[in-house]
This record gives sequence, C-alpha cells and structure tokens, in this order.
Amino acid sequence: AQSVTQPDIHITVSEGASLELRCNYSYGATPYLFWYVQSPGQGLQLLLKYFSGDTLVQGIKGFEAEFKRSQSSFNLRKPSVHWSDAAEYFCAVGEFQGAQKLVFGQGTRLTINP
Amino acid sequence: DAGVIQSPRHEVTEMGQEVTLRCKPISGHDYLFWYRQTMMRGLELLIYFNNNVPIDDSGMPEDRFSAKMPNASFSTLKIQPSEPRDSAVYFCASSLTGRSNYGYTFGSGTRLTVV
Repeated sequence: AQSVTQPDIHITVSEGASLELRCNYSYGATPYLFWYVQSPGQGLQLLLKYFSGDTLVQGIKGFEAEFKRSQSSFNLRKPSVHWSDAAEYFCAVGEFQGAQKLVFGQGTRLTINP
Repeated sequence: DAGVIQSPRHEVTEMGQEVTLRCKPISGHDYLFWYRQTMMRGLELLIYFNNNVPIDDSGMPEDRFSAKMPNASFSTLKIQPSEPRDSAVYFCASSLTGRSNYGYTFGSGTRLTVV
C-alpha cells in the first residue's frame, strides 16, 4: 500500500527566504504525486502534480516540486516566500488503477516571520 | 464554476443526535470522495463513489456512518447517532476520470462539533 511521510510537522521561515518542504513516498510502481495547500478554515487547493516526464514540475503561486525516484521524494520548493504562503501543506500519492484514491501525508505547517 | 459546495459550514450538535452533511460536486465530475480531518489522524478517506456508485467504504469508521449519492449532483454523509469523537472537519472532493484530470477539487469542509 502506498504511504506518504512529511518529516517536518512545522517549519518557520522569514519572508523572502527560500523554502523547501520534504515529502517521501512509498509506492511500488510509478506514483502519481501531488502537493496541496490548506489555508485556515479552507479546503485543500491543488498546487501541482506529477505523473511522468520532466521531473521538475511547476505549479501555481510560484511553487515547484522535483520528483526523485532514487530518493522516493517529491519535495516542494519556492525561491522566495510571501507572508500569504503561511498555511498547511500536504503531499499526496495516488494510484491510477481504475480508482483515483489519494493517500495524504500528515501535513507541514508553514509559518512566515515578517 | 462554483466548485465543490458543502453545507453546512459549521454544525454543532448534541451527542446522540443525527447529523447530515451535504455535498454538491463539480458538474460533470464522476468521482466523489468524503474525507475526515482531525489533528490526531490527519486526512482519512471515508468513502468514495464513481458514477454515483459506492466503490470503497472501508474507511467508514462504524455502522453509525452512512453515505449516499442519489444522483450525480448530490451526496450526503450521515452520522447516527453522533458521538463527541466524531468531531472533525469533513471534506467532500470530486474529480473527473482521466489521467490528465487526476487530482481532487475539495470543498471548504463542514466543521462538526458534537457536545
């Protein structure tokens, strides 16, 4: 069964600094990988997704993620964070075998210092 | 596109009462998912439907929980009787078949408090 680990429960960065959120997955075949963002009191919004091809994927809000098969990782990055990026970030892995079930990590809460 | 619409946004009920959560998926989407989010357990998939048919309800915690999708534009999640440990945020999400469409659109959730 697939699983997702987000090692960092909480990260604090200064506004304007770079950001990297870690995600490791466990899945036997080529995974479908996703990053979602959740602002307080809101649902989850899709930032980006990876199916195949170029291992560096671009998403909304200036985020990107890199798939590294050898490390079973799909880390999320942003060169310069803004105060509005403060939120909870979820990595998810899915299968595409007739079903679209996603398994989510526990999330990483991002705090931005002014 | 109005997105996935959930109602109510907040629900406070007394233990033992019946609770019904509602979801309207995005028009044309053929998958619908119900998730529960708590601090302790994170996001848990409760049940999902494909073309209005329940496919996997293995995540439904107990017989007190039931879900229906009578048509393509409406689904309900019912808890009867409710208990304090059911307090959580319940999310509905929908998606469309197809590799390029893979990835959910979530509703804003229903925050359920059982006292």
